[in-house]
Amino acid sequence: EAGVTQFPSHSVIEKGQTVTLRCDPISGHDNLYWYRRVMGKEIKFLLHFVKESKQDESGMPNNRFLAERTGGTYSTLKVQPAELEDSGVYFCASSQGLNQPQHFGDGTRLSIL
Amino acid sequence: AQSVTQPDIHITVSEGASLELRCNYSYGATPYLFWYVQSPGQGLQLLLKYFSGDTLVQGIKGFEAEFKRSQSSFNLRKPSVHWSDAAEYFCAVVPPTSGTYKYIFGTGTRLKVLA
Repeated sequence: EAGVTQFPSHSVIEKGQTVTLRCDPISGHDNLYWYRRVMGKEIKFLLHFVKESKQDESGMPNNRFLAERTGGTYSTLKVQPAELEDSGVYFCASSQGLNQPQHFGDGTRLSIL
Repeated sequence: AQSVTQPDIHITVSEGASLELRCNYSYGATPYLFWYVQSPGQGLQLLLKYFSGDTLVQGIKGFEAEFKRSQSSFNLRKPSVHWSDAAEYFCAVVPPTSGTYKYIFGTGTRLKVLA
């Protein structure tokens, strides 16, 4: 079975621009999570979808971040406008059930210049 | 504050030597516990997990971890390290009161293996 896939693997943009990250979870996984690792810090939770519904978005840094999961399949995370502090690696993970281990993608490395 | 601690940021061992990576948590009840590994350029791969039951858990790649309630610890071990084990290792927990099963991660331990 295909794993969690994320696009792009690396994105370099200038401050003020917009970037959209995409995550394709494992087929059949209702739970989709976004995490972020800022350089030198721990991996931190951003938000959780169950199918197309946001269950928990307590980790979203501010309203410049918008996550969607149309139709309960793939998800996008848009940053608009990007700021320097948004640089980091963004991970997506999915799980079949809530109490099942999460499967992670390879991450998107976002660099804001 | 509730947290997950990996005290060692970097560890260096010789190939063939034993390994122990530490993880401590501070929650009132036992959380769900996980160890993940991230090799360069790759995502996080699950090594093993503990939900309940036998406190010694076997994982992939020859790793094991022992849950010790009295010490609030879930240390990862391997009897003989291979050069391919060089990577970053993350301890993660799902707090006992979590409704969404989101992970709380430690800061990670980067393992270097000497030939």
